[in-house]
Amino acid sequence: AQKVTQAQTEISVVEKEDVTLDCVYETRDTTYYLFWYKQPPSGELVFLIRRNSFDEQNEISGRYSWNFQKSTSSFNFTITASQVVDSAVYFCALSEAPGGQGGSEKLVFGKGTKLTVNP
Amino acid sequence: DGGITQSPKYLFRKEGQNVTLSCEQNLNHDAMYWYRQDPGQGLRLIYYSQIVNDFQKGDIAEGYSVSREKKESFPLTVTSAQKNPTAFYLCASRRRISGANVLTFGAGSRLTVL
Repeated sequence: AQKVTQAQTEISVVEKEDVTLDCVYETRDTTYYLFWYKQPPSGELVFLIRRNSFDEQNEISGRYSWNFQKSTSSFNFTITASQVVDSAVYFCALSEAPGGQGGSEKLVFGKGTKLTVNP
Repeated sequence: DGGITQSPKYLFRKEGQNVTLSCEQNLNHDAMYWYRQDPGQGLRLIYYSQIVNDFQKGDIAEGYSVSREKKESFPLTVTSAQKNPTAFYLCASRRRISGANVLTFGAGSRLTVL
């Protein structure tokens, strides 16, 4: 069965600090996808990034960066120079590849990490 | 602009009543999903539909029902059989980006049982 663990329930930082959100996953599939979503106080989940299991290159997008390590089954998310607008709940998620045996192609979510960035 | 519209945003229900949450999308996506979010629980899948007139149970389908008569619409009914219905409900539709499925979410509906 697929499982995503986000061990950090809540993190509080001061603006301009760097912060890393941890994500550890479990799956028996050899092909799968990993995602990060942001949920601001408004409630709507916003897609941030997806990564497939064959691509272990790290990715950087502005102040955001992602570190995917298959050897440790981790897909960590770092925000550099955090800002108050980064305050949100962040979810890591895992899905089987399209056409997989499960059939639903559903996303399995972690429980989320609530990030508070204080001015 | 294309997107997913959920209504109502807030809903109050008395015990024993059925309520229906609306989810409409104009993204022309085939697949749609309903998730439930509880504090500290993350998102859990209730039902999903990959095509019109077909839907499947997710991990916590008991006490819920859905229909998919149109591609654009995927309403969720919370029945009186759902023992703990107070939660935040999120609807999503699915698109493919470079072979991967990516979900687009609505703004959610918050249901409170009085």
